[in-house]
Amino acid sequence: AQKVTQAQTEISVVEKEDVTLDCVYETRDTTYYLFWYKQPPSGELVFLIRRNSFDEQNEISGRYSWNFQKSTSSFNFTITASQVVDSAVYVCALKETSGSRLTFGEGTQLTVNP
Amino acid sequence: DTEVTQTPKHLVMGMTNKKSLKCEQHMGHRAMYWYKQKAKKPPELMFVYSYEKLSINESVPSRFSPECPNSSLLNLHLHALQPEDSALYLCASSQDRGYSYNSPLHFGNGTRLTVT
Repeated sequence: AQKVTQAQTEISVVEKEDVTLDCVYETRDTTYYLFWYKQPPSGELVFLIRRNSFDEQNEISGRYSWNFQKSTSSFNFTITASQVVDSAVYVCALKETSGSRLTFGEGTQLTVNP
Repeated sequence: DTEVTQTPKHLVMGMTNKKSLKCEQHMGHRAMYWYKQKAKKPPELMFVYSYEKLSINESVPSRFSPECPNSSLLNLHLHALQPEDSALYLCASSQDRGYSYNSPLHFGNGTRLTVT
């Protein structure tokens, strides 16, 4: 069965620090999709990125970057030069093509202090 | 601003009340979802509608009754809820046919429900 583990429950950094959020997944499928969402205090889950299992290229979008490593079943998310507005819960999720469920991790609460 | 709109933002109801949560999207998505999220926990899937037909019901108690009047609207009718049903209820939509493909889900802001 699929599983997503975000071992870091809470992370607290000072503004301008870089921070990496870990995501480790388990799946038996060879084709699957990984997602990161941001959930600010307002509640909605904001889609950040989708990654296919057959595309291991890392991706950078502004201050955000993602490191997908199939060999270690990890899909880590780095925020460079963090800002107070980055404070939120970040959730990693997995969707298998063989199944019908989007599996969420428990989320990591990131607090960026001024 | 989110492209999935949920109303109301907050709802307090008694255990004998009947209320409805509403969700609307105008992105042309054909799959719509209801999730329930308790504090500090990931969202839990409740229902999935695909092309306006209920495709997944995650064994949700009958006091929750979903309805999809058209491709843009999704309702969740609530009746005789329990205090443990208090949670954030999230609506989402996606382009694809339910969970068959890899389109990301777009979520609304949610309705914070308190059952007294």
